[in-house]
Amino acid sequence: EDKVVQSPLSLVVHEGDTVTLNCSYEVTNFRSLLWYKQEKKAPTFLFMLTSSGIEKKSGRLSSILDKKELFSILNITATQTGDSAIYLCVFALGGSYIPTFGRGTSLIVHP
Amino acid sequence: GAGVSQSPSNKVTEKGKDVELRCDPISGHTALYWYRQSLGQGLEFLIYFQGNSAPDKSGLPSDRFSAERTGGSVSTLTIQRTQQEDSAVYLCASSPHSGGSYEQYFGPGTRLTVT
Repeated sequence: EDKVVQSPLSLVVHEGDTVTLNCSYEVTNFRSLLWYKQEKKAPTFLFMLTSSGIEKKSGRLSSILDKKELFSILNITATQTGDSAIYLCVFALGGSYIPTFGRGTSLIVHP
Repeated sequence: GAGVSQSPSNKVTEKGKDVELRCDPISGHTALYWYRQSLGQGLEFLIYFQGNSAPDKSGLPSDRFSAERTGGSVSTLTIQRTQQEDSAVYLCASSPHSGGSYEQYFGPGTRLTVT
């Protein structure tokens, strides 16, 4: 059975801190890993990772995948209150168009 | 360009009534997904449409739930004889590719409350 574990479940930091969110997995037929940010209702797409060791970066956010050790991390530097959200790790598996969602990490950034 | 839109944004209904939720995907996106999210829970897959293929209904929780997609674009999720446990946020997402790229673009959701 496919397994996705995100850690920590929740995190509270102050503005300016750097955070690292983890996603470890045991899935069959891995195709790609995606990170989403969910504020209020709708998740918004952040990154898609398919190759190991290649960092994706967007502003203060970056992510990398390690296919050997079966994990991905999402880094946020110089956090802002607007970064407060649930961050979802999602898998696309070969042979299925239905993504597998992690339970998410809840990040709260205090001013 | 325009993103995924959903209507209504909020719906309050009495137990036993039928409801219809609408999703307008991004133009040109061939794949469309429906999810629901109960309070404090993760996203639960409901149904997937891809082009003109038969939908994958494996996530629908009961036969009270149905969905259709007309002309490969707009989709309607129908819940018959609503129950209180149907209360949740219903999210629609569209994707430009059937494979290769799985990034999905989500609508703002419909919050359904069954009283």
